[in-house]
Amino acid sequence: QSALTQPASVSGSPGQSITISCTGTSNDVGGYNYVSWYQQHPGKAPKLIIYNVSNRPSGVSNRFSGSKSGNTASLTISGLQPEDEADYYCTSHAGSSTYVFGTGTKVTVL
Amino acid sequence: EVQLVESGGGLVQPGRSLRLSCAASGFSFGDYAMYWVRQAPGKGLEWVSGISWNSVYKVYADSVRGRFTISRDNAGNSLYLQMNSLRVEDTALYFCAKQESNWEFDNWGQGTLVTVSS
Repeated sequence: QSALTQPASVSGSPGQSITISCTGTSNDVGGYNYVSWYQQHPGKAPKLIIYNVSNRPSGVSNRFSGSKSGNTASLTISGLQPEDEADYYCTSHAGSSTYVFGTGTKVTVL
Repeated sequence: EVQLVESGGGLVQPGRSLRLSCAASGFSFGDYAMYWVRQAPGKGLEWVSGISWNSVYKVYADSVRGRFTISRDNAGNSLYLQMNSLRVEDTALYFCAKQESNWEFDNWGQGTLVTVSS
């Protein structure tokens, strides 16, 4: 199973909005509404920020939002803040209890 | 508070074996499927293996199938990964993760580092 495709890097100034795409196939992203997003700061464990395409866990800022169209999911970070600088990974259920992760995107706050 | 604490990593020669453990607390361990996810140095996340709450279903990534075995002890709140025939490309930080009802991983451990090198 090939990894989901994400841009290697995305940058923005404080206060701006950025969007990270996550492209898969009809066997994963396009076939299920089980796309989740994770934020990972250097040396830390991943943290769940979006599940079920667009749902936020309790305690996650509403500046994070998710969506999906066809085989592509997206994560938008609004009002970019310095603490948002991190790596972001999407993942999708791919059937039979398996997963596929995205290639990862490094977000830089200018 | 949910806690997942991995252990058992270390330096091992190619072809040898290692057993990872993940001690869980703060939730009803036996009610949840659990997974192992790894991250090679400087690389992205890769799911490795998963096990259902009752150990009936076990899944493996193609890259480890036939070499790794996942298991769990619900009475002891522990998850395991037996890794045999280790390869250099298995070098990674191994995380255990709790799977929630919508296929998301809502809690992760801090990881245990496995280095395969001669």
